[in-house]
This record gives sequence, C-alpha cells and structure tokens, in this order.
Amino acid sequence: EVQLVESGGGLVQPGRSLRLSCAASGFTFDDYAMHWVRQAPGKGLEWVSGISWNSGSIGYADSVKGRFTISRDNAKNSLYLQMNSLRAEDTALYYCAKDNFPGLAAADDAFDIWGQGTMVTVSS
Amino acid sequence: SSELTQDPAVSVALGQTVRITCQGDSLRSYYASWYQQKPGQAPVLVIYGKNNRPSGIPDRFSGSSSGNTASLTITGAQAEDEADYYCNSRDSSGNHLGVVFGGGTKLTVL
Repeated sequence: EVQLVESGGGLVQPGRSLRLSCAASGFTFDDYAMHWVRQAPGKGLEWVSGISWNSGSIGYADSVKGRFTISRDNAKNSLYLQMNSLRAEDTALYYCAKDNFPGLAAADDAFDIWGQGTMVTVSS
Repeated sequence: SSELTQDPAVSVALGQTVRITCQGDSLRSYYASWYQQKPGQAPVLVIYGKNNRPSGIPDRFSGSSSGNTASLTITGAQAEDEADYYCNSRDSSGNHLGVVFGGGTKLTVL
C-alpha cells in the first residue's frame, strides 16, 4: 500500500523550532519529487516547499523562505521539514505529498499521494 | 508569486452537471491539477495534466483548459461529490520552482 505518514507536529512557542518528518512506503521513494503543503484551520491549501528526487532542486514559498529547510534521505525513504523562527501564522496542518514526476519543473505534474498531516500550533 | 482564483462556492442539483473554474496567468504555461477534499480528510487528486484521471476516480470528473482558465467538470454530480475543490499549478512568476494553489471552491450538491 502506498502510504505517507507525517510526524513531529505539536505545540511550540513563537521563535522556536520544530522538525517534521514524513515516512514513505509502497513506492520507489527516490524516483519522485516530494512536497510539504499546509492548511491553516478553516483555510485553504498553501504549498510550502518542494524537493526533487535527488535534492538537486529545492523550492520554497516566499512566506517560509529563509526560515524553513526541506530535505530528504532516500536511504530512509523519508522527507523532512526543519522549521525555525516559527510564527503564529505558521499554525497549520502540514501535509507531505508525493509528486508524480522526479523534478520540480514539469508542466503537468501533480501531487498524487498525500499523508494525513501533522498539526503544528505556534502559540505562547 | 502567481495567483489562482476560484469561486468560493458553487452548488449543483443532484445528477446535474457543474463546472468549477480556476483562473491565473500561470495556466497559460502550465496545466492545472484538481484536488477534492472532504471534511477532516486529506486532499485527493482527481484530475491532472491535459485531462487525466488517477486510478479510482470516476469518469464523471473531467478537466479542460483555455487561455488563463482551467475547469473541472462533474457530469452527473453525486451526493458524495460534495466537498472542497482546489486547483494548483506551477508558479510562472519569479519562483519558477514553486507551486500555487487556488483558494478553493466549496461544492454543495442539492
């Protein structure tokens, strides 16, 4: 079964850090790009960051650039998101999503598998 | 970054056809993908590329595109199609490795 399982969320104070993980199974992890997408309570989806199959291409939303770092370990079939200098507006459910292409520049790529998400709450 | 605009809410009578649209400059260069999200659940991909359906998605879902507008059409809407629908595409602005999502459309099946 193709599966993505996120972990690492929780309650954190503003300015602090948190590291999210996503464990992949049921597909050849290093054949595909991966992404983090978040959804604030009651709001829409927001792309956060993406990484190509070999970590050669990485992209970030302007809202997290300089604070968040995406990485992957293909030997462990795992995706990560290091979140620093967290703000209240980073409060959201964070989803890990699989791309249907290995790179980040395909004209018709899509997020074909999603995890169930891990909740991050930034509050004092 | 680019923006994708969706109508906040659309309704359709049971069994009728409904079109959900997504507008943005990035759609002149890239295809839109469409995602269905039901309350408390993760998004599910329903349409991608020119008009491709993942395995398991009913053929009443279809996609099309013209100029800066992409559309998701549900032909013969069912009660279980009631959900939020989001489009996304590659960002055609300076953040060329980025992705943009529309604000979502809440579909009500009457």
